[in-house]
Amino acid sequence: EAGVTQFPSHSVIEKGQTVTLRCDPISGHDNLYWYRRVMGKEIKFLLHFVKESKQDESGMPNNRFLAERTGGTYSTLKVQPAELEDSGVYFCASSQDYRGRTGELFFGEGSRLTVL
Amino acid sequence: AQSVTQLDSHVSVSEGTPVLLRCNYSSSYSPSLFWYVQHPNKGLQLLLKYTSAATLVKGINGFEAEFKKSETSFHLTKPSAHMSDAAEYFCVVIGAYQGGKLIFGQGTELSVKP
Repeated sequence: EAGVTQFPSHSVIEKGQTVTLRCDPISGHDNLYWYRRVMGKEIKFLLHFVKESKQDESGMPNNRFLAERTGGTYSTLKVQPAELEDSGVYFCASSQDYRGRTGELFFGEGSRLTVL
Repeated sequence: AQSVTQLDSHVSVSEGTPVLLRCNYSSSYSPSLFWYVQHPNKGLQLLLKYTSAATLVKGINGFEAEFKKSETSFHLTKPSAHMSDAAEYFCVVIGAYQGGKLIFGQGTELSVKP
């Protein structure tokens, strides 16, 4: 069974440019999450999808970040325009339990974003 | 509000010696607590979880953790370290009705010397 896959693994862009990160969850997992780890900080929650609906987006830092999950399958996270402080590793995770209540998530390897 | 504090950012042990990674938690509710591990260039993997059943929880690869409510601790231990245990370990809490919104500690980097 394929795990959670993320693309690209590493992206280097200049300040002001746009980047789109993609996440393919484990097949059949209704719950999809985005987390972020900024250099030197802890991993922080960004948002949670249940199928195609945003269940909780309280962790999204500002309106430069847009997450979508059309059709309830893969998800994209777009940063537009990127700022220096957006640099970090973006993790995607999925789970199949009801609304993620067990806390058992399956994580991808992360997409490292470097903004110059 | 829930939070976790990992008391050591880096721990170094010799192969074959015990491992202790410390974690204290704060929670208004009866917490669910986890340890996740990230090996280099890999995704985070669930190591073990506590959800109010047995206070001593056994996980994969010989790791275990004990929930101590009186000390608000959830330390991770292993009797004998192996080279393959070198990784970053995260203590995680999830409060009641929080869905998959995990709250991570700062992480502890474990080095294992031959």
